[in-house]
Amino acid sequence: GENVEQHPSTLSVQEGDSAVIKCTYSDSASNYFPWYKQELGKGPQLIIDIRSNVGEKKDQRIAVTLNKTAKHFSLHITETQPEDSAVYFCAASKDSSNTGKLIFGQGTTLQVKP
Amino acid sequence: SAVISQKPSRDICQRGTSLTIQCQVDSQVTMMFWYRQQPGQSLTLIATANQGSEATYESGFVIDKFPISRPNLTFSTLTVSNMSPEDSSIYLCSASGSSYEQYFGPGTRLTVT
Repeated sequence: GENVEQHPSTLSVQEGDSAVIKCTYSDSASNYFPWYKQELGKGPQLIIDIRSNVGEKKDQRIAVTLNKTAKHFSLHITETQPEDSAVYFCAASKDSSNTGKLIFGQGTTLQVKP
Repeated sequence: SAVISQKPSRDICQRGTSLTIQCQVDSQVTMMFWYRQQPGQSLTLIATANQGSEATYESGFVIDKFPISRPNLTFSTLTVSNMSPEDSSIYLCSASGSSYEQYFGPGTRLTVT
C-alpha cells in the first residue's frame, strides 16, 4: 500500500526565515497531496493542497511543489512568524473518486523563534 | 469548507466500558472518516463511514471493536468498545464533500484507566 515519508521530524527557524518540509510517496497512482497544520489541542487544518496535474501552487506565504517523477512534494513557508509554530502533516491520496482516504506522513514540528 | 464538531471533546473511561463519539458536519457531505492519533504521532485511518451502507475498515481495525454508524449525510458516530489503556488516544472525525478536500473536527481525547 501507499507509504508517505516526511522529513525533517523537527525544524527550528528564526522568525522571518523560510521553512521547507519534504515528503516522498511510494504509490505512483497517488494524485492528491494536501498539507495540514495542527496546533496543540486542535484538529488538523487544511492549509494548502496540490493535485497531480499541477507542479506548484502558492497561497500568500505558503507554497507546495510536486515532482511526480521523483514522487516527492514539499511545503515552503516564507517569512515565518511565531504563529506558524505547529505540527505539519503531509498526506497522499490515490483514490480515483473525489473522496479518497488519506495516508499521512509522520509529521514535522516547526518552531519559529521570535 | 465544512465545519465539523465532535462530542465529547474529552473523556476518562474505565477499562472494559464503551464510549460513543459523535461527529456533526454543518453541511451534507459524501464521505466521513474516522482516524486515530496517538500522542505525538501521526494520523491512522480507522474506517470510512458510508451513508446507507456498512463502514469500510482499514487493516488492524474491526467492526466489533469500533462500530460506526452513518444515519444521514451530516452525522456519524464511532464507538470504542471494551476499552483498554491501549485505546487511549485522540479520535478524529473528518468529512469530504464534492471535492478531494477533507476537513477535520477538533478531536476527542480519550483516556482509559
